[in-house]
Amino acid sequence: AQSVSQHNHHVILSEAASLELGCNYSYGGTVNLFWYVQYPGQHLQLLLKYFSGDPLVKGIKGFEAEFIKSKFSFNLRKPSVQWSDTAEYFCAVNPRGYSTLTFGKGTMLLVSP
Amino acid sequence: DARVTQTPRHKVTEMGQEVTMRCQPILGHNTVFWYRQTMMQGLELLAYFRNRAPLDDSGMPKDRFSAEMPDATLATLKIQPSEPRDSAVYFCASGRQADDEQFFGPGTRLTVL
Repeated sequence: AQSVSQHNHHVILSEAASLELGCNYSYGGTVNLFWYVQYPGQHLQLLLKYFSGDPLVKGIKGFEAEFIKSKFSFNLRKPSVQWSDTAEYFCAVNPRGYSTLTFGKGTMLLVSP
Repeated sequence: DARVTQTPRHKVTEMGQEVTMRCQPILGHNTVFWYRQTMMQGLELLAYFRNRAPLDDSGMPKDRFSAEMPDATLATLKIQPSEPRDSAVYFCASGRQADDEQFFGPGTRLTVL
C-alpha cells in the first residue's frame, strides 16, 4: 500500500517569506499527485495536481509544485506567502487508474502579518 | 458552481444513539467517498462507491458503520450505536472518474457525548 509523508507538521512564516512544504510518497508504480488546502473551518480544496507531462505544476493562488520522480517527492512552493495562506496543507497520492487517495498527515501553516 | 453538499453540518448526540449523515455528490460524478478527519489520525478513507456500488469499505468499523447510495444523488453514512471515539469531522467527496481529483463537501462535525 502507498503512504505519504509530510515532513513538517507546523510551519510559521512571516508575510512575504518563501514557502516550501515537503511531501514524499512510497509507491513503486505510476501515481497521480495532489495538494489540497483546508482553510480554518472549511472543506478541502484542490490547489494543484500532477498526472503527467511537465513536472513543474502551477496551481491556484500562486502555488506550484515540482514532481521529482527519482526522489518520490512532490514539494509545494510559493515565492511570497500572505496572511490569507494560513491553512492546513495536505499532500495526497493515488496509483494511476485507482480512485482511493492516500493523504499525508497535513502541514499547518501559520502566516503572521 | 456545482458543489458537494452535506447535512447536517453539525451533530451533537449521546453515546448509543444512531447518527445518519447525508451527502449529495456533484451531478454527473460517478465516484463518492467518505472520509473521517481527526487530530490524531488525520484524513482516513472510510468507504467509496463507483456508480453507486460499494467498492471499498475496509476503512469502516463494520459492526457499527454502514454506507449506502440509495440513488445517484444521495450517499448516506450511518453509525449505530455511536461512541465518543466516533467524534470527528466526516467529509464526503465526489469525482468524475476513477483517478481524477475529488471535490469535497463542507463536512459534518460529529460530537458524541
